[in-house]
Amino acid sequence: KQEVTQIPAALSVPEGENLVLNCSFTDSAIYNLQWFRQDPGKGLTSLLLIQSSQREQTSGRLNASLDKSSGRSTLYIAASQPGDSATYLCAVKYNNDMRFGAGTRLTVKP
Amino acid sequence: KAGVTQTPRYLIKTRGQQVTLSCSPISGHRSVSWYQQTPGQGLQFLFEYFSETQRNKGNFPGRFSGRQFSNSRSEMNVSTLELGDSALYLCASSSTTVQETQYFGPGTRLLVL
Repeated sequence: KQEVTQIPAALSVPEGENLVLNCSFTDSAIYNLQWFRQDPGKGLTSLLLIQSSQREQTSGRLNASLDKSSGRSTLYIAASQPGDSATYLCAVKYNNDMRFGAGTRLTVKP
Repeated sequence: KAGVTQTPRYLIKTRGQQVTLSCSPISGHRSVSWYQQTPGQGLQFLFEYFSETQRNKGNFPGRFSGRQFSNSRSEMNVSTLELGDSALYLCASSSTTVQETQYFGPGTRLLVL
């Protein structure tokens, strides 16, 4: 069964801290893995997309890594800001499906 | 480019009714996927359309159906609504291949009473 797990479920940090969000998946036959953020009651905003052949992607203060063999991805956020407060979701694309984790709810305190 | 648009944004229906939701993808995108998001089950894949053909389907009952038009706009229909169908329905579009970034619309929030 293709399951995606995100740890931790919630995280609260002071502004300026660097942090890591984790995503694990059981089936390594992926096409790609995508990180999204979702603000309350809103749709998803794509942050980074990592193809199955890639090891990492970077955009500004965000860096995502992918280790297919161990079924893991991490999202690193540098110098966190209150505007980073949101739920972060990882989504794994398979041939016939796209599976989402339950998300990590991040709160960055000023 | 305009983003993915979904209409209506909010909808209230009663049990047993049917509902149709609409999604307009980003111009030039030919793939449209639909998802259901609930507090209990999280985000779940409903189906994906590409060039007017259903390419993939998630594990949902036959009451959930969809279609895609020649201009890539898509609709999903839910018949015989149940209380458990209350959810945020999200649509996403991508260019052509499975390796493309998906861009999501703001969603349609459906409440079934």
